[in-house]
Amino acid sequence: QSVLTQPPSASGTPGQRVTISCSGSSSNIGSNVVNWYQHLPGTAPKLLVNSNNQRPSGVPGRISGSKSGTSASLAISGLQSEDEADYYCATWDDSLRGQVFGTGTKVTVL
Amino acid sequence: EVQLVESGGGLVQPGGSLRLSCSTSGFTFSRFAMNWVRLAPGKGPEWVSEISGNGAKTFYADSVKGRLVIYRDNYMNTLYLQMNSLRVEDTAVYYCTKDDGSYGFDSWGQGTLVTVSS
Repeated sequence: QSVLTQPPSASGTPGQRVTISCSGSSSNIGSNVVNWYQHLPGTAPKLLVNSNNQRPSGVPGRISGSKSGTSASLAISGLQSEDEADYYCATWDDSLRGQVFGTGTKVTVL
Repeated sequence: EVQLVESGGGLVQPGGSLRLSCSTSGFTFSRFAMNWVRLAPGKGPEWVSEISGNGAKTFYADSVKGRLVIYRDNYMNTLYLQMNSLRVEDTAVYYCTKDDGSYGFDSWGQGTLVTVSS
């Protein structure tokens, strides 16, 4: 069982905004940066947001991340069919001395 | 262009061993920590292990500690994962990833499938 908790699912119609939460603790999110990954079945996960709120080159501006205390969130604005995927938060955990991934959120575009 | 190419996966019986390799190019290999991350069928990513750029520091998930060993050859720009005492629950696609510190796992290989079954 992961130490980072995400809602199992989120959905929206095209053009809407979807927000995904990631809840952790002082030993992980509370003291380290959070990264977000998008995963499509059969492919390698793709880095979507790093250092809490930075977008790697090529990631559209409608994707954004934030962090406050022991929680983080990912927002997808202007939802598109290509956004239908699984999303995972990740960070380092000082107590476990390792990376931890969230439980994952499946985004569905209605 | 950064390229990571895993190899070495396959079918192995419980208790058996495998060695995974990750051949890299397109970046200064010795400058970056590297990780192995696995995805079991129908499950999310699970971090397996990390090694520092010079190989001096290694970290392991509790689920693999004492059975899997990560190491690297900075002359050959290659990352390895020696897998011993394999269990059915180790069945997964294993990815090597380039670790840019606070900037996350910014490059991933195509993955190699490890199946542990009798």
